[in-house]
Amino acid sequence: GAVVSQHPSRVICKSGTSVKIECRSLDFQATTMFWYRQFPKQSLMLMATSNEGSKATYEQGVEKDKFLINHASLTLSTLTVTSAHPEDSSFYICSARDGYGVVTLHFGNGTRLTVT
Amino acid sequence: GQNIDQPTEMTATEGAIVQINCTYQTSGFNGLFWYQQHAGEAPTFLSYNVLDGLEEKGRFSSFLSRSKGYSYLLLKELQMKDSASYLCAVTDSNYQLIWGAGTKLIIKP
Repeated sequence: GAVVSQHPSRVICKSGTSVKIECRSLDFQATTMFWYRQFPKQSLMLMATSNEGSKATYEQGVEKDKFLINHASLTLSTLTVTSAHPEDSSFYICSARDGYGVVTLHFGNGTRLTVT
Repeated sequence: GQNIDQPTEMTATEGAIVQINCTYQTSGFNGLFWYQQHAGEAPTFLSYNVLDGLEEKGRFSSFLSRSKGYSYLLLKELQMKDSASYLCAVTDSNYQLIWGAGTKLIIKP
């Protein structure tokens, strides 16, 4: 089946540094990728929708200058957390849409970000 | 506004049956998904319903009633590994996914 690879799975960084998370669709072309954040014991929160070749659409309350999203190709989207702070520590998950109409999402395995 | 409701937590016994309900109010409807999420992991797809009725897939079944804005996920012959959160998600008229908060299912021996 369709596979989405997300890397890294875990990252620990110091406050003030930037972290890049990659999301790749391995056997299909994903015109749309989604980035989610999930705090402990809470549901997925959509951060932004990333369309290949165009600017990402951010959800209300998500700072686009802090969470930089690049969707340079049909198989790769990246999320960069700039100037990370401890409150940015969270579980970040990407997903890629396979096809149009019927929304079938394939999830990456997630990235556990810890900012110290 | 758009809203999806599901119980926060449920407890069931190994070998038993449990039904997790989900009600939704969305702008349009293009399908309902159930996902399973173990702690610290990404969600995994369980089922997709777009027409009314019951979809059976092994130990798991999902039911949809569009007129009632209601779905349930039925898990039979519960196993300890079924302990997880179960997320209900609805695709609205713009094909955007609206997520429920998830139901944490605790299985006891």
